[in-house]
Amino acid sequence: DTGVSQNPRHKITKRGQNVTFRCDPISEHNRLYWYRQTLGQGPEFLTYFQNEAQLEKSRLLSDRFSAERPKGSFSTLEIQRTEQGDSAMYLCASSLETGRNEQYFGPGTRLTVT
Amino acid sequence: QQQVKQSPQSLIVQKGGISIINCAYENTAFDYFPWYQQFPGKGPALLIAIRPDVSEKKEGRFTISFNKSAKQFSLHIMDSQPGDSATYFCAATYGNKLVFGAGTILRVKS
Repeated sequence: DTGVSQNPRHKITKRGQNVTFRCDPISEHNRLYWYRQTLGQGPEFLTYFQNEAQLEKSRLLSDRFSAERPKGSFSTLEIQRTEQGDSAMYLCASSLETGRNEQYFGPGTRLTVT
Repeated sequence: QQQVKQSPQSLIVQKGGISIINCAYENTAFDYFPWYQQFPGKGPALLIAIRPDVSEKKEGRFTISFNKSAKQFSLHIMDSQPGDSATYFCAATYGNKLVFGAGTILRVKS
């Protein structure tokens, strides 16, 4: 399967701890996106990379959140000092750099902050 | 202005029937309108998409109808099957990011 992969699939952490998620995009895709989805809602955009450059960040992405894509391949999303409100599904998507902007999503990482 | 409004919130359809989900938007800068299907515990899967210069696109049992002047678009699922039971999201592209509707939970009764 050459789809988008995310690890871990589930993460339970205590409030105040730091967590890091990984996303591996489809191999030929140079654009990578992070979204957050809470229960009963559609995904909300967090940030996006073109190759290794982080080109856009949402206001949802507080200073406790940081994302990297160091070599233009996989990406990591780190949340520092987690809060209960951070509990959500974190989704990664990737796309080619074309006008069609077809974004393909991974299975997500379900974060629960206790 | 970046919102996409989706209705209904939930929908029950008999097997073999037509499922219709509607979306409306305000931002005329949106230039790409995909629909995603999501099963519980999974990520959204791209189903079908349309550009605003086309009024209709059909792929198998799935059809998007697009009304640019009304700023509305809809998904029609023909011959709905129990396996189609899922949450459906409309979306629109603003810059390089997707703006999603709130979702419609579809249940197809056998």
